[in-house]
Amino acid sequence: GESVGLHLPTLSVQEGDNSIINCAYSNSASDYFIWYKQESGKGPQFIIDIRSNMDKRQGQRVTVLLNKTVKHLSLQIAATQPGDSAVYFCAENRQAGTALIFGKGTTLSVSS
Amino acid sequence: NAGVTQTPKFQVLKTGQSMTLQCAQDMNHNSMYWYRQDPGMGLRLIYYSASEGTTDKGEVPNGYNVSRLNKREFSLRLESAAPSQTSVYFCASSHHRAENTGELFFGEGSRLTVL
Repeated sequence: GESVGLHLPTLSVQEGDNSIINCAYSNSASDYFIWYKQESGKGPQFIIDIRSNMDKRQGQRVTVLLNKTVKHLSLQIAATQPGDSAVYFCAENRQAGTALIFGKGTTLSVSS
Repeated sequence: NAGVTQTPKFQVLKTGQSMTLQCAQDMNHNSMYWYRQDPGMGLRLIYYSASEGTTDKGEVPNGYNVSRLNKREFSLRLESAAPSQTSVYFCASSHHRAENTGELFFGEGSRLTVL
């Protein structure tokens, strides 16, 4: 089954609200996690990453939280804007020496 | 600075035909990757090349071959295309191996349809 997955395939929010996108993983050995954003017709773009020795990491309007106990990862977007509308993927490094494995994605829709 | 360039952007094939997707990066990256993206499936790794001269299988390598021609170029070949290979293909590159940094740089994608 899918080991890197998102709880909800779609999320709709109003402009200005905070968005939370969730991701669960099953491999306890994974030690590195990344969030990507993919706009329509484009390739994914790196947003933020976090290593397993951290619980939280902040960027510009984005925060990633990692809960290793329950193997859960979340991306929080503050003051969501229409330009944030996209598909968001979490990805993990399951095993040293291998490439990243992506989850299925959550489509975020922001309405004005 | 072009980043990661994929060609062609669109291609229609008949079952059994062969074709090669080309990818080139101008960022002097060591590692390159091929993913496919299907509706509801996210991105699945086909093959990757951690450094020039090496290639490794990903999650879904069957039906594909790759060549790391040099540090810049990483091609994906379908020897005998099947309808199940209809997908959007993304090439990506990174400076280091993906477990060290997740900042993969993706191309714009190649949409392949196999009839």
